Amino acid sequence: DQQVKQNSPSLSVQEGRISILNCDYTNSMFDYFLWYKKYPAEGPTFLISISSIKDKNEDGRFTVFLNKSAKHLSLHIVPSQPGDSAVYFCAATSSGNTGKLIFGQGTTLQVKP
Amino acid sequence: EAGVAQSPRYKIIEKRQSVAFWCNPISGHATLYWYQQILGQGPKLLIQFQNNGVVDDSQLPKDRFSAERLKGVDSTLKIQPAKLEDSAVYLCASSFRGRGETQYFGPGTRLLVL
Repeated sequence: DQQVKQNSPSLSVQEGRISILNCDYTNSMFDYFLWYKKYPAEGPTFLISISSIKDKNEDGRFTVFLNKSAKHLSLHIVPSQPGDSAVYFCAATSSGNTGKLIFGQGTTLQVKP
Repeated sequence: EAGVAQSPRYKIIEKRQSVAFWCNPISGHATLYWYQQILGQGPKLLIQFQNNGVVDDSQLPKDRFSAERLKGVDSTLKIQPAKLEDSAVYLCASSFRGRGETQYFGPGTRLLVL
């Protein structure tokens, strides 16, 4: 049972354009969502998060949007840079449980110069 | 501030052998997690500690996997005996308290079982 899904395995964008990564979830108990970025041979690095009481959170070039009714979140990167090329994981958790993160399968982003 | 430390970074063993991984979390972090990441998938939680107690080990294959965090700081994860399907990256993460907080990951240990 895949509770968090990232349906696009890969995404390629041109430098300077917008990258949009999508994530869907099924468990309505999830109330905290995170995006992690992972480079090869490194562990995931925290990027940005959003609580279910918000529908948008922004940090520099990164913005996460949450649509609770659709159980969908997206990460926007504007403008995209070649250094953003990495695997992006969406993760979700419920504050009512132990804090366990449920991860999606990841989306590989390639930003072309 | 030092991050989460893990060792070794790489390990190659034959099936039925045993292996152990070590993790030292960020100083002051009470919660420690071990995740398994199989190629092409997202990380999956194996076990979660709060200080030196186990909070969640529901997805730990207890017939072959064991983990401990005796003094509530660093932790070891052991596999005995290893199977081919245990080939994966083993990630350690920590957070200050746990519930509803950001988890910070170490670089991982890449295990190959032949």
